[in-house]
Amino acid sequence: EADIYQTPRYLVIGTGKKITLECSQTMGHDKMYWYQQDPGMELHLIHYSYGVNSTEKGDLSSESTVSRIRTEHFPLTLESARPSHTSQYLCASSPTGTTREKTQYFGPGTRLLVL
Amino acid sequence: KQEVTQIPAALSVPEGENLVLNCSFTDSAIYNLQWFRQDPGKGLTSLLLIQSSQREQTSGRLNASLDKSSGRSTLYIAASQPGDSATYLCAVYGNKLVFGAGTILRVKS
Repeated sequence: EADIYQTPRYLVIGTGKKITLECSQTMGHDKMYWYQQDPGMELHLIHYSYGVNSTEKGDLSSESTVSRIRTEHFPLTLESARPSHTSQYLCASSPTGTTREKTQYFGPGTRLLVL
Repeated sequence: KQEVTQIPAALSVPEGENLVLNCSFTDSAIYNLQWFRQDPGKGLTSLLLIQSSQREQTSGRLNASLDKSSGRSTLYIAASQPGDSATYLCAVYGNKLVFGAGTILRVKS
């Protein structure tokens, strides 16, 4: 079982609030990812990191930002939440080495509802 | 741009049936294809990973095949059980992981 954690699991918040979704992994993986998933839809990559102080935007445009100060921690921040940000956010990590041969390990997700 | 399609979108079968889930992708330049399981309130769990050079992978009652040239993969589940009820996601890795929308499977007891 993968050791990757996300908090909070569920969050209901008002428009305009700043929120941070936490993601931590204890496997020492260098690579970490954030995906956004709407109900019944595909996962879309919004941010990824290949190591400390490395962050990149994914395919889906997102108003969120991320940071990678420690290997095990990859938080995602929304400065001003809007109803359009309502979604499920999934964090994942993968081991060092060629991604061709290795899977990604996923956290349980955070379900965000912005009122 | 890689696109991944999964058919059917939803499937309901009685317990004990063998079933097949389908996945197709538009760009055959992939390194691997993976099948994941997603349970409500939980994250994704990797079921099978097939390298581009492989034709199939098996794990227990699950067998996944890959035909890279035609851009297709199937996930075969033998002797289905109620505990198999979940959403099954197919994902292909080229320079990033691209997911399909999934097949929602319900196995009735």
